Amino acid sequence: AQSVSQHNHHVILSEAASLELGCNYSYGGTVNLFWYVQYPGQHLQLLLKYFSGDPLVKGIKGFEAEFIKSKFSFNLRKPSVQWSDTAEYFCAVNAPTNAGKSTFGDGTTLTVKP
Amino acid sequence: DVKVTQSSRYLVKRTGEKVFLECVQDMDHENMFWYRQDPGLGLRLIYFSYDVKMKEKGDIPEGYSVSREKKERFSLILESASTNQTSMYLCASSSPGTMNTEAFFGQGTRLTVV
Repeated sequence: AQSVSQHNHHVILSEAASLELGCNYSYGGTVNLFWYVQYPGQHLQLLLKYFSGDPLVKGIKGFEAEFIKSKFSFNLRKPSVQWSDTAEYFCAVNAPTNAGKSTFGDGTTLTVKP
Repeated sequence: DVKVTQSSRYLVKRTGEKVFLECVQDMDHENMFWYRQDPGLGLRLIYFSYDVKMKEKGDIPEGYSVSREKKERFSLILESASTNQTSMYLCASSSPGTMNTEAFFGQGTRLTVV
């Protein structure tokens, strides 16, 4: 079964700082990759996704992620964070062996100080 | 927009009670899921249903059961609630397929068992 590892459990940044959240997965075949975000008091929602094609994908609110197949990684980035980006971020993987069920990482809590 | 609605935002139940958590989706999705979200543990899959009356155990099914009598509704049942089931419960749905399917989440039910 595949697994997903998020390296940082809690990240604290000041506004305008750059963000990179790490995500690595363990599965050797074709995968679909997702980043979800959960703002305080809100439901989990999709931030961006990679299915195929350009490995650099852009999502909502200025976020982007790069799929590096050789490193089994799908890191999330944002050049300049805002206070409103304070949230919990989850990386997730779909693989053919998992029949539509996503495997989620443990999550990274991002706190942006104004 | 896909809407996944969970019947309660907050619940407080006593140890030993039978607890029902209800989830309804309005996008005619075949797949429905129940996850448990705990700090530092990410999302863990409890049960999965890919069609009416069909269900599959996830990673942590012990102490839980599910019911899917109608396509739009997926219920999670705690047969005899225990304090270690105090958690946030998330329902999700997705369209059929093993890969290119993002999940849509409800707002969550925070269950406290006393």
